[in-house]
Amino acid sequence: QSALTQPRSVSGSPGQSVTISCTGTSAYIDGYDYVAWYQHHPGKAPKVLIFDFTKRPSGVPARFSGSKSGNTASLTISGLQAEDEADYYCCSHTGSYRVFGGGTKLTVL
Amino acid sequence: QVQLVQSGAEVKKPGASVKVSCKVSGYMFSDYFMHWVRQAPGHGLEWLGRINPNNGVANIAQKFQGRVTMTTDMSSSTAYIELRRLTSDDTAVYFCSPLGYKYPTDVWGQGTTVTVSS
Repeated sequence: QSALTQPRSVSGSPGQSVTISCTGTSAYIDGYDYVAWYQHHPGKAPKVLIFDFTKRPSGVPARFSGSKSGNTASLTISGLQAEDEADYYCCSHTGSYRVFGGGTKLTVL
Repeated sequence: QVQLVQSGAEVKKPGASVKVSCKVSGYMFSDYFMHWVRQAPGHGLEWLGRINPNNGVANIAQKFQGRVTMTTDMSSSTAYIELRRLTSDDTAVYFCSPLGYKYPTDVWGQGTTVTVSS
């Protein structure tokens, strides 16, 4: 059982915005090191979208953004596109260990 | 060009062991920890642990302690994960990656499918 809880699914129409939450016990998000967000298309390697809660790696579009409030980290995708349909995972980095959330399936209607 | 090339698919019987390799090229193997992540069918990503190639010290997720061993071979820039006492729940695709946030540490291996079936 994951220590990071994500909604199992979210959906939105092209052009809309969606937000995916990642809620953890206080040991895993609030006051701890980092949370990253990954996009995973089936059959491909996961891709990092956000790290350190809010930072975006080079090459990731600005419509992907991250935030944190208390023990919840969030990923917001603005201007939804068909290719955004994928699974999304948060990942907490605490010292030597990582923990993935259970994953959220994003459906673009 | 950075590449992490993993060994081929494996089919094992329950109770057996499996060893998956991950050969690195394109960056200095000793510069970054190597992490292992798996995804079982219908399930999400699961972190198994990481290893420091310089000293061989591994941090294994609590769930897998005692059943997983991670090693490295600096001479061939290869990381290994061995999983013992396999059950059907270990059927999954296993990935290696430095699990970083910028090139080359954001590169992943292609994945190795391990199937456990009697």
